[in-house]
Formats: sequence, C-alpha cells, structure tokens
Amino acid sequence: EDKVVQSPLSLVVHEGDTVTLNCSYEVTNFRSLLWYKQEKKAPTFLFMLTSSGIEKKSGRLSSILDKKELFSILNITATQTGDSAVYLCAVLMEYGNKLVFGAGTILRVKS
Amino acid sequence: DAGITQSPRHKVTETGTPVTLRCHQTENHRYMYWYRQDPGHGLRLIHYSYGVKDTDKGEVSDGYSVSRSKTEDFLLTLESATSSQTSVYFCAISEGLAGATQYFGPGTRLLVL
Repeated sequence: EDKVVQSPLSLVVHEGDTVTLNCSYEVTNFRSLLWYKQEKKAPTFLFMLTSSGIEKKSGRLSSILDKKELFSILNITATQTGDSAVYLCAVLMEYGNKLVFGAGTILRVKS
Repeated sequence: DAGITQSPRHKVTETGTPVTLRCHQTENHRYMYWYRQDPGHGLRLIHYSYGVKDTDKGEVSDGYSVSRSKTEDFLLTLESATSSQTSVYFCAISEGLAGATQYFGPGTRLLVL
C-alpha cells in the first residue's frame, strides 16, 4: 500500500525560529514529490521535487528530496505568523497523475 | 489562481438523499480530481478523470460516482448520502504529463445529518 508519512504532526514555534518539516514515503511508481501549504481554504502549491539533492528555494522556504532514503524536508527560516498553516506533502504517482497525501503538519507560529 | 470553482460551497443534507457536487474549470486542463479531506487523514482521492468520459477510481471511491461530459465540468455524486461522507470535498485540476502540478478549488463543506 502506498504511504506518505509526515512528522511532526504539529509544532508551535516563535517568530524568527527555523523549522524543518519531514516527509517520508513508500510508494510504487514514484514520479515527483510536492509540498502544499493550506490555510483555512484550499491547498496552495509550494514546490515540486523530482531529482535527488537539488534544493528548491522560494524566499524563506526551501525543500530537498532524497530518493535513496525516500524522504523530503521542508525548511522555513525566520518564521512569521503568516507561516501558520498545515503543510501537506504528497507523492505524484506515475500512472494517472495521482497524488497520495500525508496527513499534514500543523505549524503555529507565535508572535 | 487557477480558474476553478466548486458549487455548492456549503451543503447540509439528510442521510439517504442523493447529492451532486460540481467542479468547473476555465483552464482547459485534461485531468480533474475529487478529494475528500478529514481530520487526521490529509486529502484522499475519490475519483479522477483523464479526459471527457474517461474516469477512474481513487482510494476511497465506495459510495461515490462521477461524470465528465465536458472538459470544464466534473461532477461528484453521492447516490445515497451517509454520515461518514460528512467531509470537505476539494476538486483539483492538472494539465497532465506536461504540467503535473495539481491546483485546487475552494472546497465544498458537506454535512450529512
């Protein structure tokens, strides 16, 4: 059975802290790994990672994929209260362009 | 934002009644998806479509059916709603192989009493 596991399930940090969110996966027919941010509405796309070891960066957010160890991390530096959200990791399958999601990490940034 | 709308945005219904949710896109994307989101489960795929009249099941398809008669519309039907189908339903679209990123609609909150 295809599985995506995120950790931690939730965390609370203070503004300015750096956080690392983890995503591990066991799937057949892996194509890519995606990160989404979800506030109280629809998930919004952050990154798509296809190759190992190549960091994707957008402002204070960055992510990297390790296809040998089957995991990805999402880093957020200098956190702000606007970073408070659920962060979802998903694996894109080769067939049908289907996504398998993890349960998400709830991040709360306190001012 | 991708041009995706869902209707209705909120619905309350009773057990045993049929319910149809609509997803409409203006992006002319080939793939469309229906997910449900429940606490502790993330998003789970119900059904998806890879073209007009071409659909397939996802991991939680029991109790749901779909139809796609036009590129822009993807309908999700609960034939006889049950309380376990109370959830938030999201539609998503993607171009497919050339652009595999999925973009999500605003969601529909469904409460089955």
